[in-house]
Amino acid sequence: SQKIEQNSEALNIQEGKTATLTCNYTNYSPAYLQWYRQDPGRGPVFLLLIRENEKEKRKERLKVTFDTTLKQSLFHITASQPADSATYLCALVHNDYKLSFGAGTTVTVRA
Amino acid sequence: DGGITQSPKYLFRKEGQNVTLSCEQNLNHDAMYWYRQDPGQGLRLIYYSQIVNDFQKGDIAEGYSVSREKKESFPLTVTSAQKNPTAFYLCASIKRSGDSVYNEQFFGPGTRLTVL
Repeated sequence: SQKIEQNSEALNIQEGKTATLTCNYTNYSPAYLQWYRQDPGRGPVFLLLIRENEKEKRKERLKVTFDTTLKQSLFHITASQPADSATYLCALVHNDYKLSFGAGTTVTVRA
Repeated sequence: DGGITQSPKYLFRKEGQNVTLSCEQNLNHDAMYWYRQDPGQGLRLIYYSQIVNDFQKGDIAEGYSVSREKKESFPLTVTSAQKNPTAFYLCASIKRSGDSVYNEQFFGPGTRLTVL
């Protein structure tokens, strides 16, 4: 069966450190992969996308890698700040414009 | 400002009643989506529509219905056949660019439905 798994535990880190989130998938062949941020009680907000032929993508303090052999994406937040505290969702995008989301990883950055 | 609006923000329904959730976008986006989110779970796709007057079932369509009579509107009806409708409902849209699938989804603020 198809499955998308993100870090099973919430992530608590000290301000200034790097947070690393994982997204593993099975039985999917996504066209590309996206990462979203969701704050409590609000809709997700798009952060980054990475295509199947790209190894790495960066945007400011965010970095995403995509390994289609391992069927895994890593999402890094460098120099983390308390304002980065949120839930981060990975989404696999299929060719018919459908998205499949993981359950998300909740990140808490301590000052 | 362009965006997606959902109304109402909070909705209470008595068991056995149908209820319709509104979703409107002024982004001129082609495709629209409805998701359901339960605590500790990811977003699950209910229905999606790529063009006006056409829509497809997602992974959990049972007990729900939609219509797409206008490009900017995609209302979701939660029927009495949905056995566990209490959840957070999110509407989203995408601007299609030819055959490109490299487009982000824009989400509305969500409607929290509670069945009493």
